[in-house]
Amino acid sequence: GAVVSQHPSWVICKSGTSVKIECRSLDFQATTMFWYRQFPKQSLMLMATSNEGSKATYEQGVEKDKFLINHASLTLSTLTVTSAHPEDSSFYICSARVSWGSNQPQHFGDGTRLSIL
Amino acid sequence: AQKVTQAQTEISVVEKEDVTLDCVYETRDTTYYLFWYKQPPSGELVFLIRRNSFDEQNEISGRYSWNFQKSTSSFNFTITASQVVDSAVYFCALWGPTGGGNKLTFGTGTQLKVEL
Repeated sequence: GAVVSQHPSWVICKSGTSVKIECRSLDFQATTMFWYRQFPKQSLMLMATSNEGSKATYEQGVEKDKFLINHASLTLSTLTVTSAHPEDSSFYICSARVSWGSNQPQHFGDGTRLSIL
Repeated sequence: AQKVTQAQTEISVVEKEDVTLDCVYETRDTTYYLFWYKQPPSGELVFLIRRNSFDEQNEISGRYSWNFQKSTSSFNFTITASQVVDSAVYFCALWGPTGGGNKLTFGTGTQLKVEL
């Protein structure tokens, strides 16, 4: 149980392109999903908390207009990197938590490696 | 403020050796939860364990064991008879109600390399 699917796994695209990443909880409902960014050999950096049916909560320093988050259902959140540039290249990973407990484990997707040329 | 410290950046062992990964945390909460995650080279994070602050019993799951010492604010992870497949980055994480509510605070991770 508690499977989170993230798609796509890899994206290579030109500078200026917008890229959408999907995060789905396959066997449970997730009121809250999280988006992280991870640079090589570093820990996870929380970018934003995605709440179903409401606006995402962004961490300090994360550009809301750059990283658009939509959480339209209890099983799907999307992250759109708008007008991506080489400095946006990174590993993006989402997680989801069961709706009924904020202290429950977060279950992670497989991550998306984004390369902007 | 909450903080998780994993002082060991990288550990290398030979297969079949036992290895302990250290985790020290700081929190003002009396109720909190501690987690360990494994991140293999493929990138996904795999949930290993959740432990609440009121349960100081050590836990064993196969070759994995966890030692929770509230007195020293530590939640160490031991792999017995390590195998090459254990090679990964291991993250310790903390959740507490005053730590932003929804957020996990991650340590910086320990890279474990198990060699033949």
